[in-house]
This record gives sequence, C-alpha cells and structure tokens, in this order.
Amino acid sequence: EAGVTQFPSHSVIEKGQTVTLRCDPISGHDNLYWYRRVMGKEIKFLLHFVKESKQDESGMPNNRFLAERTGGTYSTLKVQPAELEDSGVYFCASSQDLFYNEQFFGPGTRLTVL
Amino acid sequence: AQRVTQPEKLLSVFKGAPVELKCNYSYSGSPELFWYVQYSRQRLQLLLRHISRESIKGFTADLNKGETSFHLKKPFAQEEDSAMYYCALRDGGGSNYKLTFGKGTLLTVNP
Repeated sequence: EAGVTQFPSHSVIEKGQTVTLRCDPISGHDNLYWYRRVMGKEIKFLLHFVKESKQDESGMPNNRFLAERTGGTYSTLKVQPAELEDSGVYFCASSQDLFYNEQFFGPGTRLTVL
Repeated sequence: AQRVTQPEKLLSVFKGAPVELKCNYSYSGSPELFWYVQYSRQRLQLLLRHISRESIKGFTADLNKGETSFHLKKPFAQEEDSAMYYCALRDGGGSNYKLTFGKGTLLTVNP
C-alpha cells in the first residue's frame, strides 16, 4: 500500500499567486487531517475532515485558505492569494477510526512563497 | 489551551549511551500522549503512545501526570536512532482528535 500521498512535493510561487495542494489518504480512511510547520515553529493543526465534512477547522489561519474533500476521498488545500508567511511544510494525515486514531502522515509539501 | 514543550532542540549522545528526550505538557483535561519520529528523508511516523504501554525499538515513555511529563527513554542508543522526535498530545476524552505537537528534538547518535 502506498500510504498517504501528497502532491506536489515542492512548490515555489510568488506572493499573490494561488497554489493548490493535494492529499490522497490511505484507502478506506474516513478521517483526513491537514497540518503545517512553518520555519522554527511546531507542527500545527489546520483542519480535520470526516469523510467530506469538516469536523474541525479551528486551525485554519485565515480565509485565504480553503480546504475541500469532495466525495470523501482526496482533499485539496488552496491558498489564495499566497503571502510570504504561508511558506512552510504542509502535512496531510489520515486515520481509519477516531478512537484508536493512529494518524498516518504523508511526506509533506514544501511551499515557498517568494 | 493544550501545549507541548520539548526543551531540547538538539541532543547528541554516543552509541551505547542512555538517552532521554524530554517532553512536558499543559492540558486541563485527560490527555493522550504520543511520540512521533521522522528519520532522514522519511515521513513522520508514530513511535509509541502512552495507552499502549509498549516498548518500540527499545524506547519507552511513561506518562507522569503529577509532573505533566512524557519523557522518551532508551537505555542504549544506536546510530539508527538518529532522527527528529516529536512529542504530541490530543484530547483523551475523544471529542477532539487534533494532535498538538512540540517543536521537536533532533537526536544525533555518534559512533
């Protein structure tokens, strides 16, 4: 099994542009999470999907970030317009159930905003 | 608010020496604690969780609620243990599944 996959692995864009990150969870995992690590800071939670519904989006920094999970399969995270402070590594994780909740992480997408 | 503190950014030991990576937490409810590890060029993966009370790759961690700590220990470090280690916390009550991470400790085991 491939595990959680993320695309692209790296993205370099200019301030003001739009970027869309994609996450494919492990097949059968209803729970999907987005996290972010900016330079020098800890990994921080962004949001949690259960199937196609947003269970918790308390970590989304502002309305420039939009996450979707149509059909309850893969998820996208769009940043529009990107700002310099959005640079960092964006991780996606999935889990099969909530109680045991082992979250399996993807390799991350490194976003650089110039 | 929940918070996880890993006081050491870097930790360097020699092979065969004991190692302890410190983790302290702040949480008013009933926490569940985890250790995640990221080896070079690999993804973040779960090392152990306190409710399992397992020993993984020779590592153990005990939840000390009095000291609000969850330190990771190994009696004899190996070179392959060199990695970034993250302590994480979530609400053990089951209503909130997000993980709160510490900043991580980079462990280097020298030959």
